[in-house]
Amino acid sequence: KAGVTQTPRYLIKTRGQQVTLSCSPISGHRSVSWYQQTPGQGLQFLFEYFSETQRNKGNFPGRFSGRQFSNSRSEMNVSTLELGDSALYLCASKIGTSTDTQYFGPGTRLTVL
Amino acid sequence: GENVGLHLPTLSVQEGDNSIINCAYSNSASDYFIWYKQESGKGPQFIIDIRSNMDKRQGQRVTVLLNKTVKHLSLQIAATQPGDSAVYFCAENSIQGAQKLVFGQGTRLTINP
Repeated sequence: KAGVTQTPRYLIKTRGQQVTLSCSPISGHRSVSWYQQTPGQGLQFLFEYFSETQRNKGNFPGRFSGRQFSNSRSEMNVSTLELGDSALYLCASKIGTSTDTQYFGPGTRLTVL
Repeated sequence: GENVGLHLPTLSVQEGDNSIINCAYSNSASDYFIWYKQESGKGPQFIIDIRSNMDKRQGQRVTVLLNKTVKHLSLQIAATQPGDSAVYFCAENSIQGAQKLVFGQGTRLTINP
């Protein structure tokens, strides 16, 4: 089975722009979660989607949003980018229940200039 | 790598020795715990998990110990190999609660030849 894939792998944007990141989960996985990883804050949960519905949300501003499609692929969007949004954005998928193993993709490295 | 600049706790061990990585978790309501390994340029990789109704669980060369009284988790790696060099994260979750992982700050493990 193919693993979790994320595109693009690297992205450079300027302040004020918006960005869309994409995640394709492992086949058969219906849950997709997004995390932000920075040197200062570590790994932080952004949100989780299950069957096209946001099931959980972390403590991030409304500039961070996401969606999930019927094929379980997910996108996250960050609007009005700030320098502090520079981070590695990780997507993880699992079948769906709370104790299913969560598999991570390689991440998208976003740099905001 | 993703954790450059992050002042992580570090652990250096000789190849072939055993290593123990510790983690204090924050939420007494957490009842499901996972250890992840993250190598440079990659997303976190699942190592082993444990539920709160267990004190110990063993995998291949790895053992996780859980002490709920003091909210402490440890990962023991036996006969360490150069490929074990990575950053190790513990994560906690609530089986009945929100479907989100809360990650610890991570420990950088270096295996010396």
